[in-house]
Amino acid sequence: DIQMTQSPSTLSASVGDRVTITCRASQSISTWLAWCQQKPGKAPKLLIYKASSLENGVPSRFSGSGSGTEFTLTISSLQPDDFATYYCQQYNSYLYTFGQGTKLEIK
Amino acid sequence: EVQLVESGGGLVQPGGSLRLSCAASGFTFNNYEMNWVRQAPGKGLQWVSYISTSGSTINYADSVKGRFTISRDNAKNSLYLQMNSLRAEDTAVYYCAREKYSGDAFDLWGQGTMVTVSS
Repeated sequence: DIQMTQSPSTLSASVGDRVTITCRASQSISTWLAWCQQKPGKAPKLLIYKASSLENGVPSRFSGSGSGTEFTLTISSLQPDDFATYYCQQYNSYLYTFGQGTKLEIK
Repeated sequence: EVQLVESGGGLVQPGGSLRLSCAASGFTFNNYEMNWVRQAPGKGLQWVSYISTSGSTINYADSVKGRFTISRDNAKNSLYLQMNSLRAEDTAVYYCAREKYSGDAFDLWGQGTMVTVSS
């Protein structure tokens, strides 16, 4: 199975900061990578697919990049609504796997 | 409204069985590949199972293979997960999730249903 490793596990930041979360795959997954956001007690919400495509309705301050084994999610200017947990997910093969998550906390 | 609604969760003893359902509405269900994803309390997301539009292709995570069975009824716009030989480690919120395109990211999620395996 393809393993996905996110870093950091926890990130403390302030409103207005630019933040970057990294996701590494144990083998190449081309650009078959998604990012989702989850708030406590809620279902995940898709933000980015195919590594860099912004899902409809998602604010443009979210962006994704990368290919192969290394990927990043960037939030250009943190808003209060962005404090949540973020997961990467690979769908290169039909044995999908998620990263362990990055919790974005208010500093 | 485009939505997925899960049901069927509850408390079950170890070794028991449970059948989860996911009702789809607001979109053409038989055009979409579907998945189950779970989340143990305080833990991350874990993909559980996949089913193709016709049900002809099915995949499972190793942790549930041989115990769980995914199925769908396109006439009823419904997805199912039959869970047998349940273990304490199967305790989780179970989400159904729609693939945006074939073999693509999950663009629509249900609200989840809680399964607790305990004596």
